[in-house]
Amino acid sequence: DAMVIQNPRYQVTQFGKPVTLSCSQTLNHNVMYWYQQKSSQAPKLLFHYYDKDFNNEADTPDNFQSRRPNTSFCFLDIRSPGLGDAAMYLCATSRGEYEKLFFGSGTQLSVL
Amino acid sequence: QKEVEQNSGPLSVPEGAIASLNCTYSDRGSQSFFWYRQYSGKSPELIMSIYSNGDKEDGRFTAQLNKASQYVSLLIRDSQPSDSATYLCAVKGAGNMLTFGGGTRLMVKP
Repeated sequence: DAMVIQNPRYQVTQFGKPVTLSCSQTLNHNVMYWYQQKSSQAPKLLFHYYDKDFNNEADTPDNFQSRRPNTSFCFLDIRSPGLGDAAMYLCATSRGEYEKLFFGSGTQLSVL
Repeated sequence: QKEVEQNSGPLSVPEGAIASLNCTYSDRGSQSFFWYRQYSGKSPELIMSIYSNGDKEDGRFTAQLNKASQYVSLLIRDSQPSDSATYLCAVKGAGNMLTFGGGTRLMVKP
């Protein structure tokens, strides 16, 4: 089945230790997104790619970076995680920009 | 700032009843409207999309849109305990940005 796959499902890291989350898709969608969601809050868009065009939200901290080496894969790098970065990180795809989003299962990040 | 507002709930309904979830938005130029269901600890899942005024039905779900009142709602008929989840309203505004509401937690009691 075509899908959006995130790995790992749970990630524990230490304060300040770089961490990378990964996302892959078999839907062949043009757009890939990274959202951060904290408990009982709406998903917050960090950035998105339309093909290779990178779009960074104005309030996304510099601590967060992203790479999309090809259509299928997208990575979220957190350079120096702080306690406030503990959250669910959601990868999503869509065929066109901000059309129907298909989410992966998410990565729950804990920072110790 | 463009906003999407939802009552956080919880909205509690008995099994078999109709659950009515509401969402208001501030951007008059909004084009597309989506309802996502999110179970606790899981990722959101698209359940309905609506683009024009009126009702759109899909099984037990009906989305209702009123652009003049800047209001979109989701009705769930014959509510089941398995419908217990948080329902996120998402609105694509005139600036082509998608904004999520904070979600309404629905509890369906057997």
